[in-house]
Amino acid sequence: DGGITQSPKYLFRKEGQNVTLSCEQNLNHDAMYWYRQDPGQGLRLIYYSQIVNDFQKGDIAEGYSVSREKKESFPLTVTSAQKNPTAFYLCASSIADRRSGANVLTFGAGSRLTVL
Amino acid sequence: GQNIDQPTEMTATEGAIVQINCTYQTSGFNGLFWYQQHAGEAPTFLSYNVLDGLEEKGRFSSFLSRSKGYSYLLLKELQMKDSASYLCAVRGYSTLTFGKGTMLLVSP
Repeated sequence: DGGITQSPKYLFRKEGQNVTLSCEQNLNHDAMYWYRQDPGQGLRLIYYSQIVNDFQKGDIAEGYSVSREKKESFPLTVTSAQKNPTAFYLCASSIADRRSGANVLTFGAGSRLTVL
Repeated sequence: GQNIDQPTEMTATEGAIVQINCTYQTSGFNGLFWYQQHAGEAPTFLSYNVLDGLEEKGRFSSFLSRSKGYSYLLLKELQMKDSASYLCAVRGYSTLTFGKGTMLLVSP
């Protein structure tokens, strides 16, 4: 079955440490995204990539970095510069829906990062 | 920029009908999406509107009025499994912006 795999599901980190969240998709989607979700807040876009070797900052990119060396993979690094990194991180990919033409996001199961 | 408003919480009874409203102000508009998210899980796609009117898909329908910056998601014949957060999202020129979500609690 095609889908998006995020790992790890739960991660604990000490302050001052960088951590990398993995996102792999086998849907053959060109575009990939990273969102952050906090309680009582909507999903906020961190970074997105519409094609291999290219990516753009979203609304809250400070303290994060990404790479897109392969179509299938879009890892997110949470650096020590991110002031409040404890959150639920969601990776997504998209392709145009056949019926409507809409760019529908398919999400991974998420990674919950806790900074101790 | 984008501003999206939806109620924080709603409650309804099993078997009933519920309407979740969403209003938006955007600098560009290329469609409105509704997603369902159960606690601790990934959001899943429910519906998409880009033209005015009603889109029906089984027990779920979604309506859009572009001139009013307004959409609603209508859920019929509510089931306990419909208890979830419902996210309204608007696509601008290139990215999708989400509202804060409406937590729906369905009681017996």
